[in-house]
Amino acid sequence: GQQLNQSPQSMFIQEGEDVSMNCTSSSIFNTWLWYKQDPGEGPVLLIALYKAGELTSNGRLTAQFGITRKDSFLNISASIPSDVGIYFCAGQLNSGYSTLTFGKGTMLLVSP
Amino acid sequence: ETGVTQSPTHLIKTRGQQVTLRCSSQSGHNTVSWYQQALGQGPQFIFQYYREEENGRGNFPPRFSGLQFPNYSSELNVNALELDDSALYLCASGTATNTEAFFGQGTRLTVV
Repeated sequence: GQQLNQSPQSMFIQEGEDVSMNCTSSSIFNTWLWYKQDPGEGPVLLIALYKAGELTSNGRLTAQFGITRKDSFLNISASIPSDVGIYFCAGQLNSGYSTLTFGKGTMLLVSP
Repeated sequence: ETGVTQSPTHLIKTRGQQVTLRCSSQSGHNTVSWYQQALGQGPQFIFQYYREEENGRGNFPPRFSGLQFPNYSSELNVNALELDDSALYLCASGTATNTEAFFGQGTRLTVV
């Protein structure tokens, strides 16, 4: 099945550093979402973006919906050890009925 | 805590057997979607139910089937299990008018 192109595949950083990851698609999406998944758990929604060009923050997290509607990025500022996990982007054509298309994920490791 | 619960959490089955996985949706949610997440991959959409009817299906064979009940709980059934069916199976509940889907913790299925 289709998956979005998500990069980098993994990151190993020092606590306090900023992190940036992005997601691209060959198709247009009307909604972009970013999820975090901890081991043995389901994905948890971090940020949802609904308009092209939209920039949204949730605490230390900031995400943007690309102008072309084919990409999105997620920034994490001042990383802390509990940021460790796998981050997934997901695109959706329409709300509610429409399915989510996920990227392969970015594994983030944070060294104290 | 998303309010979406799945059972069982882990399961081991033999190739050729059948399996039923269960999901209890969050209160007030009327759509449920099922995803398959292979190791190291992002979740892949299997199908979605709304008002007890399937209203979207991903690239999965007919031996993957489901049900949604009047209380919005749901089942995923897989017949004639194959080794490649080993994965984390996630259900996500939401509403027809809202993008945001909430995932359960998943069922880890191992086919031997």
